[in-house]
Amino acid sequence: SAVISQKPSRDICQRGTSLTIQCQVDSQVTMMFWYRQQPGQSLTLIATANQGSEATYESGFVIDKFPISRPNLTFSTLTVSNMSPEDSSIYLCSVGRDDTQYFGPGTRLTVL
Amino acid sequence: QKEVEQDPGPLSVPEGAIVSLNCTYSNSAFQYFMWYRQYSRKGPELLMYTYSSGNKEDGRFTAQVDKSSKYISLFIRDSQPSDSATYLCAMTPGNTGKLIFGQGTTLQVKP
Repeated sequence: SAVISQKPSRDICQRGTSLTIQCQVDSQVTMMFWYRQQPGQSLTLIATANQGSEATYESGFVIDKFPISRPNLTFSTLTVSNMSPEDSSIYLCSVGRDDTQYFGPGTRLTVL
Repeated sequence: QKEVEQDPGPLSVPEGAIVSLNCTYSNSAFQYFMWYRQYSRKGPELLMYTYSSGNKEDGRFTAQVDKSSKYISLFIRDSQPSDSATYLCAMTPGNTGKLIFGQGTTLQVKP
């Protein structure tokens, strides 16, 4: 398994601002992912965070809106930029290990 | 049509009941199948992980995969109030790491 922490656990932000979410893993992993879970919905993959190169984004998600950093094999950040109320969601990071994925506790974001 | 279909419920059962949760999928490339449990305001917790068709048992939980029918199930025996949560199926071809999730089924086990 993997021990994953996220900061902050929750935040309330004003529209037009940006928030950076941090994800820390207890040991080195090759694959890290960022997901969004909108209220009452399932999880949707935003992007794969690649160490040493640009993130790979899924259809409907762009780097300008969700810039991602992956400076090493245990850490990644996701920034939600120029926020609107539609960005209110839970943002989750996960790591790939043993052909499956383990998730962090999530960051609950509310945009007013 | 969504790649993965899961009945969102909610499903309400009495304590001690056997619970059956199901997902169907359309992509024959899916090779790895997972079940996650998510409590309110928590991240998803991996419950079961299977590869290829067949059954896998872990305590009160049994995961079943039928690739010919593109159908997976999770059975919970002797259900407990602590099993009350949302259960998410997920699957992947295995080469990209991308997980496709079902909508999640909300389960309530009543004492």
